[in-house]
Amino acid sequence: ETGVTQSPTHLIKTRGQQVTLRCSSQSGHNTVSWYQQALGQGPQFIFQYYREEENGRGNFPPRFSGLQFPNYSSELNVNALELDDSALYLCASSWQAGRYNEQFFGPGTRLTVL
Amino acid sequence: AQSVTQLGSHVSVSEGALVLLRCNYSSSVPPYLFWYVQYPNQGLQLLLKYTSAATLVKGINGFEAEFKKSETSFHLTKPSAHMSDAAEYFCAVHGSSNTGKLIFGQGTTLQVKP
Repeated sequence: ETGVTQSPTHLIKTRGQQVTLRCSSQSGHNTVSWYQQALGQGPQFIFQYYREEENGRGNFPPRFSGLQFPNYSSELNVNALELDDSALYLCASSWQAGRYNEQFFGPGTRLTVL
Repeated sequence: AQSVTQLGSHVSVSEGALVLLRCNYSSSVPPYLFWYVQYPNQGLQLLLKYTSAATLVKGINGFEAEFKKSETSFHLTKPSAHMSDAAEYFCAVHGSSNTGKLIFGQGTTLQVKP
């Protein structure tokens, strides 16, 4: 059984650019959640996709957007990058949405904005 | 609203000594609580979880945690620290929304001295 994978591992962008991060969910999982982990902080919930629809969003501006595909893989897009967007971006998948379902995390994508 | 507070951003113990990492929570509903570990440059690995069954929860790598409702605490312990336990530890609570989003504490860095 393949776990959650993310690509790329590392990424360097400049302020104002756009970035796309990718996540492949664990086999059989239909829900993907994205988290931002700034240096020295705990992860913060960005949003969740359940069966290709956004199913909840944290306190992040609209320039953070996402997609989920029919195979339940997902993308996180960030437009107009700011220096504060530098962080580790974590993807987590689960069998279903909701608080009764364990989330399995990928290794993350480290984004550096210069 | 749900929240988590981890007391102590850094904890240092000697190899073989007791590990105690503190977590207090706030929740308007019966909480689901988690402890995750994060090794350098890696994603999050679930150590253990409390989902309203037994109040003493045993996890991987010899860790356990006790849910105490009266104290709103979920402290993580391990009787004897190993060098390999050095990592960042996060306590988390499930949000009450249908997403099951995780709300994380700020994290505690565990240092194990030889």
